[in-house]
Amino acid sequence: GAGVSQTPSNKVTEKGKYVELRCDPISGHTALYWYRQSLGQGPEFLIYFQGTGAADDSGLPNDRFFAVRPEGSVSTLKIQRTERGDSAVYLCASSPLPGLHTGELFFGEGSRLTVL
Amino acid sequence: RKEVEQDPGPFNVPEGATVAFNCTYSNSASQSFFWYRQDCRKEPKLLMSVYSSGNEDGRFTAQLNRASQYISLLIRDSKLSDSATYLCVVSHFGNEKLTFGTGTRLTIIP
Repeated sequence: GAGVSQTPSNKVTEKGKYVELRCDPISGHTALYWYRQSLGQGPEFLIYFQGTGAADDSGLPNDRFFAVRPEGSVSTLKIQRTERGDSAVYLCASSPLPGLHTGELFFGEGSRLTVL
Repeated sequence: RKEVEQDPGPFNVPEGATVAFNCTYSNSASQSFFWYRQDCRKEPKLLMSVYSSGNEDGRFTAQLNRASQYISLLIRDSKLSDSATYLCVVSHFGNEKLTFGTGTRLTIIP
């Protein structure tokens, strides 16, 4: 399909483990975002990439969270020493333009992370 | 205080009725406003932008009140397919991120 693709769709891990979540944006979209959504809450901003660089990482909760986008396309969100509070749906979104001219982010279906 | 606040609901509304949601935002520097729709266990999708002059898209009308820092969404002649969570979203000039509210859950009852 031509939409944003996220893998895995579900990930169950144990407290203290390391996880990687992958996002494949829509081809040609230069802007890429990571959000996370807890039950009953709206999406919470984590990080924004413009091309290969992280233009805004102010939403990353602590240094256990890190994201990369080495070639300006696929991005990986990495979480070290997972905690139960990290359990959430991690949403990736892409946008064709730098700058939210239309306000439209195209979201993937998310990766549901459960930390036991 | 959250930057974007919404009544989480749930709103249970009979089919064919009119329903309205409000959303307030705290940052007066907010420049752009949107409503997103999120179906259960699905990703959010843009429903409509909110312009200063107000705008309408079929049965949906969005309005902005900058003085009182709130936006609204009105749904007329509600359909069963309108059942979803409606997310209020703002962004600031020069800041390339969208800030989402917690969402208002709407259920249309046959």
